[in-house]
Amino acid sequence: GAVVSQHPSRVICKSGTSVKIECRSLDFQATTMFWYRQFPKQSLMLMATSNEGSKATYEQGVEKDKFLINHASLTLSTLTVTSAHPEDSSFYICSASAGEGSEQYFGPGTRLTVT
Amino acid sequence: AQKVTQAQTEISVVEKEDVTLDCVYETRDTTYYLFWYKQPPSGELVFLIRRNSFDEQNEISGRYSWNFQKSTSSFNFTITASQVVDSAVYFCALSDPHSSNTGKLIFGQGTTLQVKP
Repeated sequence: GAVVSQHPSRVICKSGTSVKIECRSLDFQATTMFWYRQFPKQSLMLMATSNEGSKATYEQGVEKDKFLINHASLTLSTLTVTSAHPEDSSFYICSASAGEGSEQYFGPGTRLTVT
Repeated sequence: AQKVTQAQTEISVVEKEDVTLDCVYETRDTTYYLFWYKQPPSGELVFLIRRNSFDEQNEISGRYSWNFQKSTSSFNFTITASQVVDSAVYFCALSDPHSSNTGKLIFGQGTTLQVKP
C-alpha cells in the first residue's frame, strides 16, 4: 500500500511554544490530507481537511488559529500547534488520499506532549 | 447524522478462539463506504478492509472475515483462530459522502482486543 510518513514521531515542548508536524505522502500525490487527533483510549476525531492549494476546512469546535494547516504541495501537509498548552497533548495522525473515491492512507502518528 | 457504534469496549479471548467485533452504523445516505482499521500499540493505523454500500458480499481474507448486513446496518468483523499478534484496538469507520471534505471518515469508539496465550 501507499506510504505516508509523519515527522516527528514524538515531540515534547514547553507550554506557550509552537510545534510543527509534517505529513508526507511518499509514493503518490495526495490531493487531500486529513488531520486527526486521538486522546488516550479514545477514538480518532477529525480536526480538519486540507486540499492542496486551498485553505483547510476545520471541523466544528477546532480552532483554526490554533491549529494552522498548510498543504502547499501534493506530497506535504503541515499542522502547526500554536501556543501549545498541556491540554493539546495528544496523538496526532494524518492521512492522505489521492482524491475522491480513493483510499485514505494513514501516517504513523505524532505524539505531542506539552509540559 | 452519520454515526458508528462499536458497543464492545474491550474483549479478551484465549489464543485460537474465534472472536467477532461488532459494528453498527447510521446513515441516511445510500452510497457510503465502511472500513475496518487495526491500531496496534505502536499507534499506526493499519487498513484492513473497505466495503462500499452496494456490495453486500461477505469477504474472507485469511483468518479475517467480514459480514455486511445492510438490513441491520451492521458490518461485523470476525477473527478466526485468534493469535496474540491480533491484540490491538480495532476501529470501524464510515465515510461521509455528504461532507464537503471528500473522504471524511467517522470512526467508532474502537474495540480493544486482548488475545491471551
